Amino acid sequence: DIQMTQSPSSLSASVGDRVTITCQASQGITNYLNWYQQKPGKAPKLLIYDASNLQTGVPSRFSGSASGTDFTLTISSLQPEDIATYYCQQYNNLPYTFGQGTKLEIK
Amino acid sequence: QVQLQESGPGLVKPLEALSLTCTVSGDSVSGFFWSWIRQPPGKGLEWLGFVYYSESTEYNPSLKSRVTISMDTSKNQFSLKLTSVTAADTAVYYCARVTGGSGTTFGVFDYWGQGILVTVSS
Repeated sequence: DIQMTQSPSSLSASVGDRVTITCQASQGITNYLNWYQQKPGKAPKLLIYDASNLQTGVPSRFSGSASGTDFTLTISSLQPEDIATYYCQQYNNLPYTFGQGTKLEIK
Repeated sequence: QVQLQESGPGLVKPLEALSLTCTVSGDSVSGFFWSWIRQPPGKGLEWLGFVYYSESTEYNPSLKSRVTISMDTSKNQFSLKLTSVTAADTAVYYCARVTGGSGTTFGVFDYWGQGILVTVSS
């Protein structure tokens, strides 16, 4: 299975900060990498697909990028409603696998 | 608007089978891939498998031969059956639609149900 390693596991930032979460794949996954946001008690929500494509309706402060097996989710200006856990997920190979999550909190 | 809703028992006894159904509205189940994903309390997400074109399936090998996903096009539903459950199978179970991203490879979960907590306990 492809292992997806996210860092950091948790992150505390202030409103307005630029926030970066990274995800590293254990092998090449082309750009078959998605990002999800999960708020407490809710289902995950698709934010970014194919490493850098913003899902319809997602605010433009979210963006994604890729460099080899390293992927980045960036929030350009953190808003209070962005408090959530973020997961990356690869679909280059079966089984689909997720990162362990990054919990984002407001400082 | 596509909507998914999980249903089924919230409590299952050890070694019995867990059975859940996902009812889809706003789309036809025969036109896409449909998946089950679970999340143990306080933990991360695990893909269980998907069904497509009514009868074709792919499963996570970690579940070995315990999992079956099927589709009922007449009811616009798809279902999960997990046999011989243990406490380790206690989780919130989500159903989700699987779509392709920019290309033709499927693996983007774009619509999710709200999730259903299933507890395995005697």
